[in-house]
Amino acid sequence: QQPVQSPQAVILREGEDAVINCSSSKALYSVHWYRQKHGEAPVFLMILLKGGEQKGHDKISASFNEKKQQSSLYLTASQLSYSGTYFCGTTLSSGSARQLTFGSGTQLTVLP
Amino acid sequence: DAGVTQSPTHLIKTRGQQVTLRCSPKSGHDTVSWYQQALGQGPQFIFQYYEEEERQRGNFPDRFSGHQFPNYSSELNVNALLLGDSALYLCASSFQGMYTDTQYFGPGTRLTVL
Repeated sequence: QQPVQSPQAVILREGEDAVINCSSSKALYSVHWYRQKHGEAPVFLMILLKGGEQKGHDKISASFNEKKQQSSLYLTASQLSYSGTYFCGTTLSSGSARQLTFGSGTQLTVLP
Repeated sequence: DAGVTQSPTHLIKTRGQQVTLRCSPKSGHDTVSWYQQALGQGPQFIFQYYEEEERQRGNFPDRFSGHQFPNYSSELNVNALLLGDSALYLCASSFQGMYTDTQYFGPGTRLTVL
């Protein structure tokens, strides 16, 4: 039931792009993306609902492919501040009790 | 606008002891979820409280219990602590009225069991 994230780790230079994927074997209702820096709480980035929408703010965007039950997070022209561990969290139900199940994370390192 | 707050920040206990962690949700939020995050892993869902009741529970033993108060704040209690309970405990709050159920995390409580 836990979503699978790939890659596990990625190292970039400032200005380069990255894609992080999140896949599920179950039908998803929503996908939530968070970034966590070392020793800090996860920070909410964006949420995508089933329907194949794409969202973004600044140079970070995401898509949700309902047919494949897969979401991808796109980081464009990465900045040093993008470094951290990215988690996707998924919910399976549109009901009132929506349990978030997180993947094991993707560690992103942006070098100068 | 205050975000999610948790106390204490750090805690050291010995095996067999009991611990209580506290969480105050973001202003306007009425739902509190608790997560356990082991080093190098994603947060694992413990349970969620809404209207002072446990609404959903993850795969955690009964040693883990909780409570939600009328002001929406919440407590997580862990009895008979084991070494494996050492982790970062995160509280997240959300507003039930939002269909997106976006959860905002607090800074966490780092629990060390010796």
